[in-house]
Amino acid sequence: NAGVTQTPKFRILKIGQSMTLQCTQDMNHNYMYWYRQDPGMGLKLIYYSVGAGITDKGEVPNGYNVSRSTTEDFPLRLELAAPSQTSVYFCASSETPLGVDYGYTFGSGTRLTVV
Amino acid sequence: QKEVEQNSGPLSVPEGAIASLNCTYSDRVSQSFFWYRQYSGKSPELIMSIYSNGDKEDGRFTAQLNKASQYVSLLIRDSQPSDSATYLCASYYGQNFVFGPGTRLSVLP
Repeated sequence: NAGVTQTPKFRILKIGQSMTLQCTQDMNHNYMYWYRQDPGMGLKLIYYSVGAGITDKGEVPNGYNVSRSTTEDFPLRLELAAPSQTSVYFCASSETPLGVDYGYTFGSGTRLTVV
Repeated sequence: QKEVEQNSGPLSVPEGAIASLNCTYSDRVSQSFFWYRQYSGKSPELIMSIYSNGDKEDGRFTAQLNKASQYVSLLIRDSQPSDSATYLCASYYGQNFVFGPGTRLSVLP
């Protein structure tokens, strides 16, 4: 039972480079989310999706893009990486909207450093 | 005021003691709250949720919600060194699920 799988676990990018953070879940959850976590700042929502083909912005979407072509996959694209995007990125999924009753299942995270 | 606020700690308690973690919230969030535990370098994991005023117990954990005073607490009885982690309080704000910054708990052997 894999749950939510994120790749890569670590990555160093140079300023201006682009990359895609991969996220896959095998629980058939419709709801998926991308968060970033900065030290002492809690988790901030970047983008979320309520089903295949439907995505929407969260609190801090600038500099990121997402797509949701299947129920399982929810990749996060960073275009023109900047030092401010240095963070730990978590993908999550939930069985219910906003994780009502059951909460979120998180992936193991991607630690990204932009230099 | 931010939607969900927590004292960042660290909170240090001796092994076997009761650890009390607190979270205050603004009028903007819903009345449903979640406590997540996050070990260093790991992802958050759900401990418990609470929706109604009063206490909710699950093993060594008790969540307390006081809507009049706008705070929610997590008590950990018989604290163990393995409870050392950051505890995140979370709730809903509009279409968003918001997390507090977390309180770092250290249980000393």
